[in-house]
Amino acid sequence: ETGVTQSPTHLIKTRGQQVTLRCSSQSGHNTVSWYQQALGQGPQFIFQYYREEENGRGNFPPRFSGLQFPNYSSELNVNALELDDSALYLCASSLGGGATDTQYFGPGTRLTVL
Amino acid sequence: GNSVTQMEGPVTLSEEAFLTINCTYTATGYPSLFWYVQYPGEGLQLLLKATKADDKGSNKGFEATYRKETTSFHLEKGSVQVSDSAVYFCALSDRTNYGGSQGNLIFGKGTKLSVKP
Repeated sequence: ETGVTQSPTHLIKTRGQQVTLRCSSQSGHNTVSWYQQALGQGPQFIFQYYREEENGRGNFPPRFSGLQFPNYSSELNVNALELDDSALYLCASSLGGGATDTQYFGPGTRLTVL
Repeated sequence: GNSVTQMEGPVTLSEEAFLTINCTYTATGYPSLFWYVQYPGEGLQLLLKATKADDKGSNKGFEATYRKETTSFHLEKGSVQVSDSAVYFCALSDRTNYGGSQGNLIFGKGTKLSVKP
């Protein structure tokens, strides 16, 4: 059984650019959640996708957007990058979007904005 | 709103010492509680969880009991090893979290543990 994978591992962008991060969910999981983890902080919830529909969103601006595909893989897109967007972006998959469903995390994508 | 507060680190212990990392929470509904661990350069791994009051989660010698009366979920281990060195995160998800999804996790800031041989 393959776990959650993310690509790329590292990424360097300049302010104002756009970026797309990718996540493949664990086999059998239909829910993907995205988190932003700034250095030395706990992860912050960005949004969740359940069966290709957005199923909740945290306190992030609209320039953070996402997609989930029929195979339940997902993308996180960030437009007009700002320096504060530099962080580790974590994707997690789960069997459902409920409070008791365990989320399994990928290794993350380290984004640096210069 | 919902929140998680963890004891601040870093925590430095000698091998075989007893570990406690305190975690308290605030939630409007009926949260599930989790401990995740993050080893250097890696993503988060679920360590243990509890979904209702008085449940005890356990894994790899770590334990935590869901205490509703004190809104706490303290992590304990009787004898730590060098390989336990990592950052530990307490988290909750709240099934009455209207507006957000039920399943979004709210994390504490993390506690860094270093175990010396």
